[in-house]
Amino acid sequence: AQSVTQLGSHVSVSEGALVLLRCNYSSSVPPYLFWYVQYPNQGLQLLLKYTSAATLVKGINGFEAEFKKSETSFHLTKPSAHMSDAAEYFCAVSDGGGADGLTFGKGTHLIIQP
Amino acid sequence: NAGVMQNPRHLVRRRGQEARLRCSPMKGHSHVYWYRQLPEEGLKFMVYLQKENIIDESGMPKERFSAEFPKEGPSILRIQQVVRGDSAAYFCASSPPTGWNSPLHFGNGTRLTVT
Repeated sequence: AQSVTQLGSHVSVSEGALVLLRCNYSSSVPPYLFWYVQYPNQGLQLLLKYTSAATLVKGINGFEAEFKKSETSFHLTKPSAHMSDAAEYFCAVSDGGGADGLTFGKGTHLIIQP
Repeated sequence: NAGVMQNPRHLVRRRGQEARLRCSPMKGHSHVYWYRQLPEEGLKFMVYLQKENIIDESGMPKERFSAEFPKEGPSILRIQQVVRGDSAAYFCASSPPTGWNSPLHFGNGTRLTVT
């Protein structure tokens, strides 16, 4: 079984400040890890994914995430927040083993203060 | 290159009616997934289908819910005799047949409101 915990249902940062969204996972096998972003009234868009290659993964819109096996974490960061980053962010884990293998966290709502 | 298309975007049903949600996957994608999103919750897996086959329906409620992905046409998620608790956003996603390291491509969802 696998699970995802996203710490903080809401995160507020000032425009230009560092964005850090936390994600911890549990998986019985080496996982595949994903971050998705959801803008209001839209579906989810893939930001980035980790599939056992480089531990630091770069995604779209300046986001990146680092896989840390010892901490079972896959935190999402961006050096400088932009107003357009305001959205809901979901971390997801897959064990690659089956159709129901993609498990989502509850999401973190990112608020950008002007 | 059209993405995953879902319709309708919004659907209002009275208790006891039927709801039909449609999903056309991206071109070249043969795998379709349905997820349900409740307020303040993440996405919950419901069902995974390939053409004419239900591969995994472990997330589907045992009653009133059904899904299909026919040889021709969109995938359909059907909810019979809807109740207020069915109100949610329902998302369809598709992927090519290359395994779980292929990301899912999501539609914009159907927001079902049961009155």
